[in-house]
Amino acid sequence: SAVISQKPSRDICQRGTSLTIQCQVDSQVTMMFWYRQQPGQSLTLIATANQGSEATYESGFVIDKFPISRPNLTFSTLTVSNMSPEDSSIYLCSVCQGINTEAFFGQGTRLTVV
Amino acid sequence: AQSVTQPDIHITVSEGASLELRCNYSYGATPYLFWYVQSPGQGLQLLLKYFSGDTLVQGIKGFEAEFKRSQSSFNLRKPSVHWSDAAEYFCAVGKNQGGKLIFGQGTELSVKP
Repeated sequence: SAVISQKPSRDICQRGTSLTIQCQVDSQVTMMFWYRQQPGQSLTLIATANQGSEATYESGFVIDKFPISRPNLTFSTLTVSNMSPEDSSIYLCSVCQGINTEAFFGQGTRLTVV
Repeated sequence: AQSVTQPDIHITVSEGASLELRCNYSYGATPYLFWYVQSPGQGLQLLLKYFSGDTLVQGIKGFEAEFKRSQSSFNLRKPSVHWSDAAEYFCAVGKNQGGKLIFGQGTELSVKP
């Protein structure tokens, strides 16, 4: 399985600011995804990070709020823009090698917006 | 629409007792099914997966799960629970492919000494 590193592991941010979360994988992977886990809740898929093109967002998530980059097959970033307290969540990066393979997750970034 | 239901929000079992966590899914085709575990402050660790074939799958840490198509279920079992198994357990179904997942609400497992 791939080793996935997320930075930062946690942060406390002021409302109205933006935070960029990095996801680095130790090997090239086909697919990368970003999930959100709100307090006490399950995980919800935000978007698929596409290498060299715009991310594909799930219903309820928009690029202006969650811009995503994926410049190569081992790295992706998620930005949480113009943050409000409702954005306080754990954000997790996930990778998958193909259609018939399982997904692996990073340790997550715990974000608190004050 | 695809969905996953974990009917039990919280379960408490005694150490050494058997465990079964329930998972029901709604999916049009043959699903890809997963169980993940999340310990406090940690990411998700894959316990086991079902793609096809034998409906009883073995995973890590002594866990197993059985896919029952007729019941749209994928229940997780362990014959003897250890205190270190206390965590949040998530059932998930693959949305069209393995990587895009729909998660259940999770079941929090507490283990009594």
